[in-house]
Amino acid sequence: RKEVEQDPGPFNVPEGATVAFNCTYSNSASQSFFWYRQDCRKEPKLLMSVYSSGNEDGRFTAQLNRASQYISLLIRDSKLSDSATYLCVVKGNDYKLSFGAGTTVTVRA
Amino acid sequence: GAGVSQSPRYKVAKRGQDVALRCDPISGHVSLFWYQQALGQGPEFLTYFQNEAQLDKSGLPSDRFFAERPEGSVSTLKIQRTQQEDSAVYLCASSQSTGLAKNIQYFGAGTRLSVL
Repeated sequence: RKEVEQDPGPFNVPEGATVAFNCTYSNSASQSFFWYRQDCRKEPKLLMSVYSSGNEDGRFTAQLNRASQYISLLIRDSKLSDSATYLCVVKGNDYKLSFGAGTTVTVRA
Repeated sequence: GAGVSQSPRYKVAKRGQDVALRCDPISGHVSLFWYQQALGQGPEFLTYFQNEAQLDKSGLPSDRFFAERPEGSVSTLKIQRTQQEDSAVYLCASSQSTGLAKNIQYFGAGTRLSVL
């Protein structure tokens, strides 16, 4: 079983729609959580960190449920530019990042 | 400022050939990481350097893979006798340190290796 599991999608949504997806992680000792964004043939870029209390960054909202070991990302008012693969990332109390395989989101006009 | 720089961006190798991939981390970043990303998958950890010391190479898939960072800045990932299963994107990342649990890793654009 992979350490981080994600629904691969794809999620095809119209502009302006809300889209949400989750990932689950297996290591209960995980300390830090992130969402990275990766455009086709580009490097992963940090979208946002995920905090226990949940956090927002503009149209993006991330939630963490430690008891159930899942992380969610919600995108409101989707833009064409939000089309990308979203990588769920988990870190233990060290330096290693564990990545999910990514969830593909396509926003159509 | 400049980000993480990797070269070459693309490399085509014949099976059995040796390749060397270069990473220039962000200036002053102590920590450097190599990841391997297969098609349709997330990046997988290969190895970690703190300055010039290779502290973890547990993710290297075989002894054909070797990484170094002799002066604590530029790093090279070398793959000897390449095999088709080595075809992937090799990503380098750097961070200021690892002292903080939330320390951010910044990625380079990667080297796409195709072994024929």
